Amino acid sequence: QKEVEQDPGPLSVPEGAIVSLNCTYSNSAFQYFMWYRQYSRKGPELLMYTYSSGNKEDGRFTAQVDKSSKYISLFIRDSQPSDSATYLCAMSPVSGAGSYQLTFGKGTKLSVIP
Amino acid sequence: SAVISQKPSRDICQRGTSLTIQCQVDSQVTMMFWYRQQPGQSLTLIATANQGSEATYESGFVIDKFPISRPNLTFSTLTVSNMSPEDSSIYLCSVYEWTGPSSYNEQFFGPGTRLTVL
Repeated sequence: QKEVEQDPGPLSVPEGAIVSLNCTYSNSAFQYFMWYRQYSRKGPELLMYTYSSGNKEDGRFTAQVDKSSKYISLFIRDSQPSDSATYLCAMSPVSGAGSYQLTFGKGTKLSVIP
Repeated sequence: SAVISQKPSRDICQRGTSLTIQCQVDSQVTMMFWYRQQPGQSLTLIATANQGSEATYESGFVIDKFPISRPNLTFSTLTVSNMSPEDSSIYLCSVYEWTGPSSYNEQFFGPGTRLTVL
């Protein structure tokens, strides 16, 4: 079993839809949970991060972490064509010196159709 | 946030040759990394580029295949040696700046180098 599982999609939704992206993981030591967005021919950029369990909201984006289920989600409300990208989940065990040790999912390719 | 550039942005190479990828950061950074992003696979850490000393390689990656240099705090190179088609991938430089134990220390990525080996 891989440490982080993420459905690669592709996922295609109409403009304005609510998008749900998910990852599961097996390593209970993970404490920081990140979502990166990667546009075509670009490097990943950090979208949001969450520490431990709970929710975090930033504009149209909401990140959720359920450590008891080892399951994280990213919700995109009122999706826009500019949201079309590959979304990568990433996790790390601790902050500090170990927080560079990121484990990534394979990424989900999202297309938002006008 | 750090601004990272990579050269070349893409290349097509013949089997058996080597390619050196450059990574330049607009500020001094503590740590630099090299990742590989193969089609349909997770972003995978190749090595940590240490300034003034040998790079630290992850399991499955060796110095003979991926020699790395880091002459200063803003620049690093990754060489992909004796290439085969299996080395076709996107290679990404990443940097990380330690700001303290109580804050989240973000990792920034360069735009990547898209390598195709024929």
